[in-house]
Amino acid sequence: ELKVEQNPLFLSMQEGKNYTIYCNYSTTSDRLYWYRQDPGKSLESLFVLLSNGAVKQEGRLMASLDTKARLSTLHITAAVHDLSATYFCAVGTGNQFYFGTGTSLTVIP
Amino acid sequence: NAGVTQTPKFQVLKTGQSMTLQCAQDMNHEYMSWYRQDPGMGLRLIHYSVGAGITDQGEVPNGYNVSRSTTEDFPLRLLSAAPSQTSVYFCASSSLGDEQYFGPGTRLTVT
Repeated sequence: ELKVEQNPLFLSMQEGKNYTIYCNYSTTSDRLYWYRQDPGKSLESLFVLLSNGAVKQEGRLMASLDTKARLSTLHITAAVHDLSATYFCAVGTGNQFYFGTGTSLTVIP
Repeated sequence: NAGVTQTPKFQVLKTGQSMTLQCAQDMNHEYMSWYRQDPGMGLRLIHYSVGAGITDQGEVPNGYNVSRSTTEDFPLRLLSAAPSQTSVYFCASSSLGDEQYFGPGTRLTVT
């Protein structure tokens, strides 16, 4: 069974600061997804990473994938309050998806 | 486009009761899936389908049944509810291998 570990689980950061969320997974996969979930809401897709070295950016968020290290990162640049949410990575293998436990991000003014 | 819809939004069941959670999508996606979300455990895949007439088990299938008679619909049946099935249930759909689109969720409590 594929294991997906995210860290940190909780992150409190000041507005304007940078930080990185890490997603490690245990077996080979070439599909990595990042989702955002606001409290009490559903999940919203942020990024799809499909190959080694893939990098995608949207606003203050940038995601990358290193399939050899089995590692994806979600980098937050100059955080703003609107980024407060829980972020999940998910790994696809065959037709199954395995989610990390999520990183709860709070951005403090 | 309504996207992915789920009903009901909330449900309370007594132990041993059965019920069906409904899920529908209007994006003509081949892939549909059901997840449960529990605190501190992320989302876990219950069952999935890659097309009408084709279903398969995910990580935590026990106590749940699914069917896929049409591309649009993918209901999840709880056969005999147990308190351990108290959770938030999400349905999702996608083109094969692509990002998943999630429904709004069903909050289920089993007493």
